[in-house]
Amino acid sequence: EVQLVETGGGLIQPGGSLRLSCAASGFTVSSNYMSWVRQAPGKGLEWVSVIYSGGTTYYAYSVKGRFTISRDSSKNTLYLQMNSLRGEDTAVYYCATSGSYHALDYWGQGTLVTVSS
Amino acid sequence: DIQMTQSPSSLSASVGDRVTITCRASQSISTFLNWYQQKPGKAPKLLIYAASSLQSGVPSRFSGSGSGTDFTLTISSLQPEDFATYFCQQTYSTPYTFGQGTKLEIK
Repeated sequence: EVQLVETGGGLIQPGGSLRLSCAASGFTVSSNYMSWVRQAPGKGLEWVSVIYSGGTTYYAYSVKGRFTISRDSSKNTLYLQMNSLRGEDTAVYYCATSGSYHALDYWGQGTLVTVSS
Repeated sequence: DIQMTQSPSSLSASVGDRVTITCRASQSISTFLNWYQQKPGKAPKLLIYAASSLQSGVPSRFSGSGSGTDFTLTISSLQPEDFATYFCQQTYSTPYTFGQGTKLEIK
């Protein structure tokens, strides 16, 4: 059974850094396209980043240069390193894996990141 | 970026109604269009991928159609558990943008 469990969220001051983790089971992270998607309180979904099975990465313009997606094959875990955090980064962050046509077929439960002083 | 525009933003309907939600892309995305359902406090759930393919386990009352720039999600006979927010997403090119969502409410 595929499972994704995000951890690492919390309250952080503007300008601070945080690393989110997404522990996977039931499949191999490094063999799949893996994405981060976020949702600000009361708002819609915003795609954040993807890492392809070959290691290529892409980012939304709103986070490019501040966020880094990575993975650890030995731990079967996906990460999102978030630096220079801003108030507008406040959101629930979900990790998800892609199936056919890159559709996000399995999602974690999400972890809340609050950027505030 | 490819912009995704959903309509309507909200919709009131009754159990048993047939409902259609539309999604328009700012440029052609072939059939790289996916639909998700999200209930309050929960992660989104994939319903339709590749514009018209039903995800495993999703009831057959959900269907999708379209290609190029115009797409639709249809629920043939609304059930109580279908009242939720629906999002489209293009995965033709990064950034993989979402529509703004359609909130389906009980009339």
